[in-house]
Amino acid sequence: DSGVTQTPKHLITATGQRVTLRCSPRSGDLSVYWYQQSLDQGLQFLIQYYNGEERAKGNILERFSAQQFPDLHSELNLSSLELGDSALYFCASSVDGRATETQYFGPGTRLLVL
Amino acid sequence: QKEVEQDPGPLSVPEGAIVSLNCTYSNSAFQYFMWYRQYSRKGPELLMYTYSSGNKEDGRFTAQVDKSSKYISLFIRDSQPSDSATYLCAMRGGMDSSYKLIFGSGTRLLVRP
Repeated sequence: DSGVTQTPKHLITATGQRVTLRCSPRSGDLSVYWYQQSLDQGLQFLIQYYNGEERAKGNILERFSAQQFPDLHSELNLSSLELGDSALYFCASSVDGRATETQYFGPGTRLLVL
Repeated sequence: QKEVEQDPGPLSVPEGAIVSLNCTYSNSAFQYFMWYRQYSRKGPELLMYTYSSGNKEDGRFTAQVDKSSKYISLFIRDSQPSDSATYLCAMRGGMDSSYKLIFGSGTRLLVRP
């Protein structure tokens, strides 16, 4: 158990809908990362937050947004969902978000868009 | 061309075999190299972390980085059925570059009892 928690574990929804994925980092970690894992694209970095502020952006679509709250939990919002958004979404956390740090991954949220 | 290439496998070996997993990459700015293990329906967990070129050993696992060839390897000695998982290589640039990790697509390993 990495200490990173994600809810929900599974999510089934329809195209055009909006969902929110939630992540709680390990105790003491200030930085949160979101990744998408799909069969054809592999594991891809979406976005990083550090202590409430956006620090780095990856291949995140404009339909997706994220935020980190004062209690350090983070939410990833996915809107206008398409079939191709079906994937595993992972959250990871690290202490300070420095490049040398280990990222600890949560168990993921499996999203299925029908 | 992807920045990081990894053979998806599957790689099937008998218990006790030595396993060699590899990744190649194209970005010479990468300096930090990692291997993650991912069991089915679980999140990736860090196995090995290496900075720049060289070898690092941890129990049955050895990570090698050859920056001149842009090639990294993970060796598993005395492989066990519990090693059956997908192995992902990951890498990132230096301290002043983007924090994002670039992952390989993963190699699925099956160790047969």
